[in-house]
Amino acid sequence: DVKVTQSSRYLVKRTGEKVFLECVQDMDHENMFWYRQDPGLGLRLIYFSYDVKMKEKGDIPEGYSVSREKKERFSLILESASTNQTSMYLCASRWTPYNEQFFGPGTRLTVL
Amino acid sequence: KNEVEQSPQNLTAQEGEFITINCSYSVGISALHWLQQHPGGGIVSLFMLSSGKKKHGRLIATINIQEKHSSLHITASHPRDSAVYICAVKGVDYQLIWGAGTKLIIKP
Repeated sequence: DVKVTQSSRYLVKRTGEKVFLECVQDMDHENMFWYRQDPGLGLRLIYFSYDVKMKEKGDIPEGYSVSREKKERFSLILESASTNQTSMYLCASRWTPYNEQFFGPGTRLTVL
Repeated sequence: KNEVEQSPQNLTAQEGEFITINCSYSVGISALHWLQQHPGGGIVSLFMLSSGKKKHGRLIATINIQEKHSSLHITASHPRDSAVYICAVKGVDYQLIWGAGTKLIIKP
């Protein structure tokens, strides 16, 4: 079974803190994604990566950065957390654009 | 207007009822996905289809490419089917465009 894990299920941070969200997949997937999910808006793509050290901006990259130093790990970084970044963050991975995405359990981040 | 529209946004039904959730899209696609998200966040892929119909247990997904419309049906619904059902289309650039989801509650 494909497994996508995220470092935390729940996280509470203060405004201005630097926040790291980690995602790890164990199936040698090439592509990895970070989404945020807000009520009524569906999933919105923040960043994605087609391969190690590669990254592409999604629809809402502002306020976020990413790092992919190893194939299995894709990190989302909030340089200076703000209250409008309170959301559910979902990581996903897939082998190629022709395959379905597999999702992690999500991290519910609250920024106070 | 959103490129992927789901209806209804919310649906409450009694156990045993036949459920239909609709998805309409306005862009060219290479495939359409139906996914399920249970309370707690995890998302599971149910179907990926590009034509016709697929069935898995009590779940049936259909797509009409000409009409740019897909439906997800649940037969003999059960409280454990309560979840958010999400439609996503894979555009010609292979990125997913997501619907806002349909929250389904099945009452015993």
